[in-house]
Amino acid sequence: AQRVTQPEKLLSVFKGAPVELKCNYSYSGSPELFWYVQYSRQRLQLLLRHISRESIKGFTADLNKGETSFHLKKPFAQEEDSAMYYCALSQAGANSKLTFGKGITLSVRP
Amino acid sequence: DTGVSQDPRHKITKRGQNVTFRCDPISEHNRLYWYRQTLGQGPEFLTYFQNEAQLEKSRLLSDRFSAERPKGSFSTLEIQRTEQGDSAMYLCASSLGVREQFFGPGTRLTVL
Repeated sequence: AQRVTQPEKLLSVFKGAPVELKCNYSYSGSPELFWYVQYSRQRLQLLLRHISRESIKGFTADLNKGETSFHLKKPFAQEEDSAMYYCALSQAGANSKLTFGKGITLSVRP
Repeated sequence: DTGVSQDPRHKITKRGQNVTFRCDPISEHNRLYWYRQTLGQGPEFLTYFQNEAQLEKSRLLSDRFSAERPKGSFSTLEIQRTEQGDSAMYLCASSLGVREQFFGPGTRLTVL
């Protein structure tokens, strides 16, 4: 069975502080990992996927297969980063069903 | 094309009634997905289509649930004999093959 664990429900930081949103997964095959974000009153949208190896809005995430983790990081948080963040996985190359974690609320205070 | 659309955005119904939701994907997208999200949880996969073929269904999709995509364009999700446990946000997403899934705004169902 595939599972995504986001151990924290809420992370509150001050503007300019570093952010790390944790994500661990279990999957028997070769996974593809994603971070989705949902800003207030907006729909769920893709933030980044591990195969693209991009930095989006200053966020990066590295897939660590040894630790089965895909933590999302940003060195300096901005108020506009406040949102709900979901980690998700699917079968590599298939992008069929996404399995999501429970999500974490990031609150960036001024 | 303004993205994936869903109708209605909100539905309140009484237990035992049938409800139907519609999803219109981005026009060139051949894959369409349904997810359900309850309070405090991430979206949970229900089913997905490639063109008009339903390729996978979750065990969450009981016999009371049925989804169709008759012409490979829009899709409908019907819930028969609704129960209070069906109250949730129903999300639709679409993609072009294995590319990014784009989500709709969701239909919030409340079963009284």
